[in-house]
Amino acid sequence: NAGVTQTPKFQVLKTGQSMTLQCAQDMNHEYMSWYRQDPGMGLRLIHYSVGAGITDQGEVPNGYNVSRSTTEDFPLRLLSAAPSQTSVYFCASSYRGDTQYFGPGTRLTVL
Amino acid sequence: GQQVMQIPQYQHVQEGEDFTTYCNSSTTLSNIQWYKQRPGGHPVFLIQLVKSGEVKKQKRLTFQFGEAKKNSSLHITATQTTDVGTYFCAGRDNQGGKLIFGQGTELSVKP
Repeated sequence: NAGVTQTPKFQVLKTGQSMTLQCAQDMNHEYMSWYRQDPGMGLRLIHYSVGAGITDQGEVPNGYNVSRSTTEDFPLRLLSAAPSQTSVYFCASSYRGDTQYFGPGTRLTVL
Repeated sequence: GQQVMQIPQYQHVQEGEDFTTYCNSSTTLSNIQWYKQRPGGHPVFLIQLVKSGEVKKQKRLTFQFGEAKKNSSLHITATQTTDVGTYFCAGRDNQGGKLIFGQGTELSVKP
């Protein structure tokens, strides 16, 4: 099993550009989540999903959209990137919200 | 909303000294999880505590869940350089809601 995969590993955007961070898992987990990690702020929940077709907002959802059309995939969309969205983004999956398995992360810089 | 506070933010120890990080929630938790993130890596699950007053051990690591299920601690005995990293607690409230992470404690160990 590959576990949780994320692409790209690194990305540089200009303010106002859009992009999608990809996340996929092959463990048949129902729960998937997106976190951002900033120095001194820990891991903050952006959006999460408890199953295909179901998504909900986390602590810091503004500026981000998600969808969950399949169990395996949970992409995160930035519609109009801002410098405040410079961060490391982690995707995680879990069976029923218990042990979180994290992907390797995407390091995003917005200029 | 639910908040999870973790202290200290940083801890520098000499190899062989003990280390403790503390986690406090603003609400009663259904469970608490602990994760370790090595520098440049992603968070990795260590343990989950569910019962009031629960204590679990993993070699030199001791995890406690408070009687009121609002606080937790991780204690490392006789630290080693392999313990370097950031330790996060993550709590889920009694309504089965979101998993909220603390800010993390960054541990450095001087040989």
